Amino acid sequence: AQTVTQSQPEMSVQEAETVTLSCTYDTSESDYYLFWYKQPPSRQMILVIRQEAYKQQNATENRFSVNFQKAAKSFSLKISDSQLGDAAMYFCAYRSAEWQGGSEKLVFGKGTKLTVNP
Amino acid sequence: GAGVSQSPRYKVAKRGQDVALRCDPISGHVSLFWYQQALGQGPEFLTYFQNEAQLDKSGLPSDRFFAERPEGSVSTLKIQRTQQEDSAVYLCASSPRGRYEQYFGPGTRLTVT
Repeated sequence: AQTVTQSQPEMSVQEAETVTLSCTYDTSESDYYLFWYKQPPSRQMILVIRQEAYKQQNATENRFSVNFQKAAKSFSLKISDSQLGDAAMYFCAYRSAEWQGGSEKLVFGKGTKLTVNP
Repeated sequence: GAGVSQSPRYKVAKRGQDVALRCDPISGHVSLFWYQQALGQGPEFLTYFQNEAQLDKSGLPSDRFFAERPEGSVSTLKIQRTQQEDSAVYLCASSPRGRYEQYFGPGTRLTVT
């Protein structure tokens, strides 16, 4: 079974600064997808960024980028120019892409609470 | 377009009562997922459908939990004889055909007293 580990229960950053959230995962599969979701107090899970495991290039979405290290099974999220609206719980998630025996379900980590200080 | 909607947003049930939670996926989305999120934890998978077929129910914690999606659109998660440990946020997500990202609803917070 796949597992996702987020080792930082809480992080804080000053507005306009950069912060990196860590995520590691364990899998025996070679083909999969990785995601970062944001969950503000309203509870709505919002997709921040996604990465296909077969792609070597790290994904980027505006101020959000990832550092995907497949061999190390590491998938960290970097938030640049942090804004007050970035404050939320951030969850790392894994999804199999295997054709045989793979599941479409997401496996989540426990989350990191990000505080942005003005 | 409209996102995933869930109702009710909040539900308080006395222990032993049955509850039904509804999910309206994004129109045309083929796959529908249910997750349970305990306080301070990440969501955990319960079950998923592709159209009306329930393809995986391995995450349902007991036979008191039952989900259906009879016409391949709206889904209902039913919990019978609720227990205090069922208190959680129940999240629904949907996904279009051929895509792997999931779009989430706002969740239903269930409190069992």
